[in-house]
Amino acid sequence: QSVLTQPPSASGTPGQRVTISCSGSSSNIGYNSVNWYQQLPGTAPKLLIYANTQRPSGVPDRFSGSKSGTSASLAISGLQSGDEADYYCAAWDDGFWVFGGGTKLTVL
Amino acid sequence: EVQLVESGGGLVKPGGSLRLSCAASGFTFSTHTMNWVRQAPGKGLEWVSSINSYSYSIYYADSVKGRFTISRDNAQNSLSLQMNSLRAEDTAVYYCVKEICTGSWCYGPGYWGQGTLVTVSS
Repeated sequence: QSVLTQPPSASGTPGQRVTISCSGSSSNIGYNSVNWYQQLPGTAPKLLIYANTQRPSGVPDRFSGSKSGTSASLAISGLQSGDEADYYCAAWDDGFWVFGGGTKLTVL
Repeated sequence: EVQLVESGGGLVKPGGSLRLSCAASGFTFSTHTMNWVRQAPGKGLEWVSSINSYSYSIYYADSVKGRFTISRDNAQNSLSLQMNSLRAEDTAVYYCVKEICTGSWCYGPGYWGQGTLVTVSS
């Protein structure tokens, strides 16, 4: 059981906007910033969002992050078939990093 | 361009040992915290260990504490993970991960290597 809670699955149609939630506690998300990672099938994870809302260079602005209290969200707008992947949130928690269990995004 | 290349994975019997290495290039290795993160087959990501730039802050997940040792050689731009008393549940792809920093602030695992598979089985 993961410290951070994500829905196991999400789906949307091309062009749609989808959001993925990540719920934690005061010791992790409530106190520290959140990162989001995308893992395409058969590949290593890739950083999508860091510091709650920041995109590394090269990440399209279709991807955005937000945080409120002990929860965070990843939003993907203009959904594309290439966005089909597993998405993970992560935060520091007083001496160790914790990850969400991952959300499998399906593009219908 | 950041490059992280892991090596040392393979098949090992329960109770055995293995040493993973990560060769880093494309950035100033000695100034960055490095991490190991693993992923069991078909499962999610699990952080394993972190080591700061000069090795004075080291952290381990409870699941590996006392069995795994992280270390780094800044002169050789390399990161290592010595894994002892291996168990079946340690079977996973192990990723070497560099922190992401902007200015003087750093935000945890950022850049990932391609991973090396460790299989613990008799």
